[in-house]
Amino acid sequence: EPEVTQTPSHQVTQMGQEVILRCVPISNHLYFYWYRQILGQKVEFLVSFYNNEISEKSEIFDDQFSVERPDGSNFTLKIRSTKLEDSAMYFCASSDGTILTGELFFGEGSRLTVL
Amino acid sequence: QKEVEQNSGPLSVPEGAIASLNCTYSDRGSQSFFWYRQYSGKSPELIMSIYSNGDKEDGRFTAQLNKASQYVSLLIRDSQPSDSATYLCAVIGSARQLTFGSGTQLTVLP
Repeated sequence: EPEVTQTPSHQVTQMGQEVILRCVPISNHLYFYWYRQILGQKVEFLVSFYNNEISEKSEIFDDQFSVERPDGSNFTLKIRSTKLEDSAMYFCASSDGTILTGELFFGEGSRLTVL
Repeated sequence: QKEVEQNSGPLSVPEGAIASLNCTYSDRGSQSFFWYRQYSGKSPELIMSIYSNGDKEDGRFTAQLNKASQYVSLLIRDSQPSDSATYLCAVIGSARQLTFGSGTQLTVLP
């Protein structure tokens, strides 16, 4: 069964360092998303990406964050200068079709720990 | 800010019983509603979607939507210990984002 894959599964970094989280969405999907979940809190929307550009972004997705689809398969989230409060599980998701849908397929997540 | 509200639980039901999970949302422009299941330490997994008022059944799961009351519910019939998880209500509203509630933790007791 097709799945969304994410790397790394866990990354520990020092405050102020840049981090890149990688995702391979399901191959025929057209919408890509990043969500985050701080431990014990709700899943929060960061950004959606369609047709090689950002479709929607939340207030959380400030100038420290960027997304990129560098090739035909990968979808990345970059955090330029990590803060302690960026510690969270980051989920990549994808969906098929050309319309916005909430029927998302999530990857297993990348746990980011900022020290 | 548009909110999705759920009772955090925990909700405990005996094996074989019906579990009832509830959700309210504040954005009257919402058109699409979803229930996700999240096991501890894992990613959310879609279990139901509902787009129009009324009931939608899929196996042991029934989603119910009442847009006038801004209320969505999920019934799980014949609950099994493997259903023990956190159930997340999620809504696409006028901001074109999938907004999640904080989830209800369900425990099914053998």
